[in-house]
Amino acid sequence: GQNIDQPTEMTATEGAIVQINCTYQTSGFNGLFWYQQHAGEAPTFLSYNVLDGLEEKGRFSSFLSRSKGYSYLLLKELQMKDSASYLCAVRLFTGGGNKLTFGTGTQLKVEL
Amino acid sequence: DAGVIQSPRHEVTEMGQEVTLRCKPISGHDYLFWYRQTMMRGLELLIYFNNNVPIDDSGMPEDRFSAKMPNASFSTLKIQPSEPRDSAVYFCASSLPGQGGEQYFGPGTRLTVT
Repeated sequence: GQNIDQPTEMTATEGAIVQINCTYQTSGFNGLFWYQQHAGEAPTFLSYNVLDGLEEKGRFSSFLSRSKGYSYLLLKELQMKDSASYLCAVRLFTGGGNKLTFGTGTQLKVEL
Repeated sequence: DAGVIQSPRHEVTEMGQEVTLRCKPISGHDYLFWYRQTMMRGLELLIYFNNNVPIDDSGMPEDRFSAKMPNASFSTLKIQPSEPRDSAVYFCASSLPGQGGEQYFGPGTRLTVT
């Protein structure tokens, strides 16, 4: 089976840096995705890692270590609008498909 | 591009009634996914299609749920008969194939079964 763990909630201060961790145990790993979901809205794609290392996209970066089954999402220069749920999702080899298994999400609250 | 389109956005129905949710994927996307999201269970994949063919329906909770994709631009998820525990937000998503095939989600249908 698959198991994806991430913290339920985090709180951080505007302007600060926050790291959201995700650990997974799966077979047939084929990539890790991060999505952002504001309350009452649909998830939107943030980042994708398939190889080890850091991927940077503006204020957002994502890191992957396949040997440790570990990823993190780093958010810099936090803004109030970054208050949202952050979902870690693992893609598995399924005959060429794009099937994702999502974690339960980390609710991030950004405070003044 | 209009993005993934879902209808209706909200549906309130009584237990035992049939519910049909609709989805139009992004033009040119080969994959279509149906998800259900609840507070208790998070975002769960119900079924996905590739080129209109169902590939994996292992997430469909029971026989009351069925999904079809008659052509590349339309899919339905049907619940018959509906039950209160089916109350959730149902998302449709589509993607291109390949390594970077991120999924694009529709706005969702909030279903309430009373």
